[in-house]
Amino acid sequence: AQSVTQPDIHITVSEGASLELRCNYSYGATPYLFWYVQSPGQGLQLLLKYFSGDTLVQGIKGFEAEFKRSQSSFNLRKPSVHWSDAAEYFCAVGPLSGGYNKLIFGAGTRLAVHP
Amino acid sequence: NAGVTQTPKFQVLKTGQSMTLQCAQDMNHEYMSWYRQDPGMGLRLIHYSVGAGITDQGEVPNGYNVSRSTTEDFPLRLLSAAPSQTSVYFCASSVGLAGYNEQFFGPGTRLTVL
Repeated sequence: AQSVTQPDIHITVSEGASLELRCNYSYGATPYLFWYVQSPGQGLQLLLKYFSGDTLVQGIKGFEAEFKRSQSSFNLRKPSVHWSDAAEYFCAVGPLSGGYNKLIFGAGTRLAVHP
Repeated sequence: NAGVTQTPKFQVLKTGQSMTLQCAQDMNHEYMSWYRQDPGMGLRLIHYSVGAGITDQGEVPNGYNVSRSTTEDFPLRLLSAAPSQTSVYFCASSVGLAGYNEQFFGPGTRLTVL
C-alpha cells in the first residue's frame, strides 16, 4: 500500500540552527513529491515539489528538499531557521499516472523554534 | 481572488445532527477535494471531484456526502454526525486533475461532535 512516513513527530531547534525534516515514502514508482507547511490555525501552503530532473529542489521561505531514489526519501532542509518557521510540516505524494490529484500525506512534523 | 473559502470556521454538533460544510473557490479550478485532519494521522482524503457533476470517494468516505453542481462550490454533508467525525476539515482545489498540480487549501473548519 502507498504510504508516507515522517519519523519525527516533534522537533525543536534553536533560531539560527539548521533543520532537516525526514520523509520516506512507499510507492510503486517514483511519485510526485510535495512538502506543505501549516501555520497555527491556517490551511496548508505548498513549500516545494519534485517531479523529475534535478534531485535538489528549491522552495519558498528558503527551504530546499533532496530526492533520493535509493532511499525512497524526500527530506526537507533549511540552513538557518527563523522563529516564524514554527509550524507543522507535511510530506505528501501524488500519483505519477493513472490517478487524479489524490494526495497521500504523512502524519506531519511539528517544529518548535527556541529563541 | 479570495482563493479557497470555507464556512463555518468552527462548529459544534450533537450526535445525530446533520450539517453542511461549505467550500468555494474562485480560481476556476477543475479539481476539488475534502480532507480531514486528525492528530498523528496527517490529512486523509474524504471525497473529491474532477468537475461539475462528477464526484468520487477517497480514503475515508463513510458518513459523508458530496455533490458538485457548479465549478465553484463543493459542499460536504454530514447526514448524522458521530463523535468519530470530530476533526478539522480542509477543502482544496487545483487547476488540473493530474498529480503534479499544486493544491490550494482553505483555512479549515474545526468540527466537534458531542
